[in-house]
Amino acid sequence: SQQGEEDPQALSIQEGENATMNCSYKTSINNLQWYRQNSGRGLVHLILIRSNEREKHSGRLRVTLDTSKKSSSLLITASRAADTASYFCAPLGGSEKLVFGKGTKLTVNP
Amino acid sequence: DAGVIQSPRHEVTEMGQEVTLRCKPISGHNSLFWYRQTMMRGLELLIYFNNNVPIDDSGMPEDRFSAKMPNASFSTLKIQPSEPRDSAVYFCASNSRGTGGFIQYFGAGTRLSVL
Repeated sequence: SQQGEEDPQALSIQEGENATMNCSYKTSINNLQWYRQNSGRGLVHLILIRSNEREKHSGRLRVTLDTSKKSSSLLITASRAADTASYFCAPLGGSEKLVFGKGTKLTVNP
Repeated sequence: DAGVIQSPRHEVTEMGQEVTLRCKPISGHNSLFWYRQTMMRGLELLIYFNNNVPIDDSGMPEDRFSAKMPNASFSTLKIQPSEPRDSAVYFCASNSRGTGGFIQYFGAGTRLSVL
């Protein structure tokens, strides 16, 4: 298992703008997952991208994966105040164990 | 499906007391994970089980912590004796092998305060 490192640590934008957060990891993966955590709550799975995929969409979410650079990005388009949360990436290698980093804290201002 | 259920939601106790946190995973899920989250250390994996067997307990901080999974639908995390530095939010999660990999489903957490 390995830990993803999210960047930036904090991001503040206006409602309607796009939010981009990045994730880097160190070794080869089977897939990479993104999770969201609203304040005081458990993490919620957002999207999974497999190692042989380069881009994936789900609603207003767009995830890219560059295995040569060992990096991923999560784009949230047309952000809303309800998107305010912390976002975590979780690279998954040979085991089912996920190791979470510190996350990106996104604030969307109305 | 009710999701992962944790109890209690909040626990306030005094130093030295025993604390037991409970978790009911989603039916049909084979693996269960216990995490601890603090501002200082972030979200740490304490232990995880597969088919009720502990697989990796390397994150368990010390002997005061113990976890059990007597059957597929129930797990406990016990702290005895508790200390103020154990104050944190404890999450339980279970997973399912979704398309392409394992996806974890988290409970709402137990907020523990040790005075």
